[in-house]
Amino acid sequence: QSVLTQPPSASGTPGQRVTISCSGSTSNIGSNTVNWYQQYPGTAPKLLIYTGTQRPSGVPDRFSGSKSVTSASLAISGLQSEDEADYYCAAWDDSLNGWVFGGGTKLTVL
Amino acid sequence: EVQLVESGGGLVQPGGSLRLSCAASGFIFSDHYMDWVRQAPGKGLEWVGHTRNKANSYTTEYAASVKGRFTISRDDSKNSLYLQMNSLKTEDTAVYYCAKGGGGRYYYYGMDVWGQGTTVTVSS
Repeated sequence: QSVLTQPPSASGTPGQRVTISCSGSTSNIGSNTVNWYQQYPGTAPKLLIYTGTQRPSGVPDRFSGSKSVTSASLAISGLQSEDEADYYCAAWDDSLNGWVFGGGTKLTVL
Repeated sequence: EVQLVESGGGLVQPGGSLRLSCAASGFIFSDHYMDWVRQAPGKGLEWVGHTRNKANSYTTEYAASVKGRFTISRDDSKNSLYLQMNSLKTEDTAVYYCAKGGGGRYYYYGMDVWGQGTTVTVSS
C-alpha cells in the first residue's frame, strides 16, 4: 500500500490531453513539493517534473504539473505514442522523514 | 554529462550481506545529496535512504523497512556512493538505483538523475 495514491492505469488517444492524479496528506503533498517520474519497462526512472511545476531541460512543455492542497496532478497534452510508460509521483513526508512514492500509473496510448 | 553507474548486485542468501557501489561523474559530487531507491520485480518505486552533502554534514536518513540493516556512505574523494546491506531478507529482492539529489549545495528537491540500476536477489 503506497502512501501516495495514484490510479493504476490511464489511457488516451494521440493528440488528447490526459491527467494523472496523486493523492496524499498534510504530511507529504500538503507540506512539500511533488516530483513526477517517467519509466519505460526495463529502464531507470527519468525526472519529468520537479518542485511541482518545473521541467528539467529536455522535457517537452507538453508535460505540466500542478498541486492543490494535498493532491497533485500531471497533465500530458498532445499525447504521443512515446508517452506510453509508467508514471510515478513522489514527495517528502515530514512524518516518515523520507520520500514516499505513488504506486505508479501505467499510461496506454490507444 | 552526469553519469551514475551502480555495481555489486548479485544473488545472496537470506541473512547475508552485500555492498553496492555507485560511481558518479559529470558533477560536483560533494555538493549533492545522494539517494538509493529500489524497485521489486513488477512493483513500484521505494525510497531506501539518502546521505546529505558535505554542507549538511553527510547525515543520513533511511526508510523504516531498512533502518538498522542498511547503511549508506559516501567517499567524496572517489565520487562514490555505497549501500551496505546486512541481514538481507527475501523482500529486499529488487533493482537498486542510485540517484543524484537535485538542486545544489544548499537546496535539495529529490532525485533527479538516476543510474541504470543493479539487481539484488535474496534467495536460498
